[in-house]
Amino acid sequence: NAGVTQTPKFQVLKTGQSMTLQCAQDMNHEYMSWYRQDPGMGLRLIHYSVGAGITDQGEVPNGYNVSRSTTEDFPLRLLSAAPSQTSVYFCASSLISGKSSYEQYFGPGTRLTVT
Amino acid sequence: GESVGLHLPTLSVQEGDNSIINCAYSNSASDYFIWYKQESGKGPQFIIDIRSNMDKRQGQRVTVLLNKTVKHLSLQIAATQPGDSAVYFCAENISGGSYIPTFGRGTSLIVHP
Repeated sequence: NAGVTQTPKFQVLKTGQSMTLQCAQDMNHEYMSWYRQDPGMGLRLIHYSVGAGITDQGEVPNGYNVSRSTTEDFPLRLLSAAPSQTSVYFCASSLISGKSSYEQYFGPGTRLTVT
Repeated sequence: GESVGLHLPTLSVQEGDNSIINCAYSNSASDYFIWYKQESGKGPQFIIDIRSNMDKRQGQRVTVLLNKTVKHLSLQIAATQPGDSAVYFCAENISGGSYIPTFGRGTSLIVHP
């Protein structure tokens, strides 16, 4: 298993540009989520999905869109990049059904800079 | 709003010592807690979890203690090693919630050889 993969690892955007951060998992996990991590801060939830076709907003959803057309993929779209979106973005997945532990598996992160 | 927080942003210890990382939570509805370790340049990695019906849970060199009376949990690392240097996050889940935990700000553990 590759686990959770994210592309790209690094990205520089100009203000106003749009882009999609890719996330994929090969563990057949129902739950997938996107977090951003800023210096000295914990992880803040942007959007999450409990299964294909179902998404919901987290703590900081503004400026981001998601979709979940398949179990494996959960892309994060920045509609019009702003300097405030400079951050490290982590995708995570977890298996809920039939489990008592809800540990999340995280990808390696995408470091995004918006100038 | 209610949130998960940490008492100490940085903890420095000597190799071989025991480390204790603390975490406070304020939501009495939280019933599941997780500790994650994040090494530099990597995503967080699950260490250990505990449910609110337990006071203590042990793993390999790690122990999590939960005190529901004062809404506090701690992560104890025995015989700390340089490879334990990382940022440690506690996270909480709330009954009837989304199964997506809320993370605290993190504590940086520095282990000196």
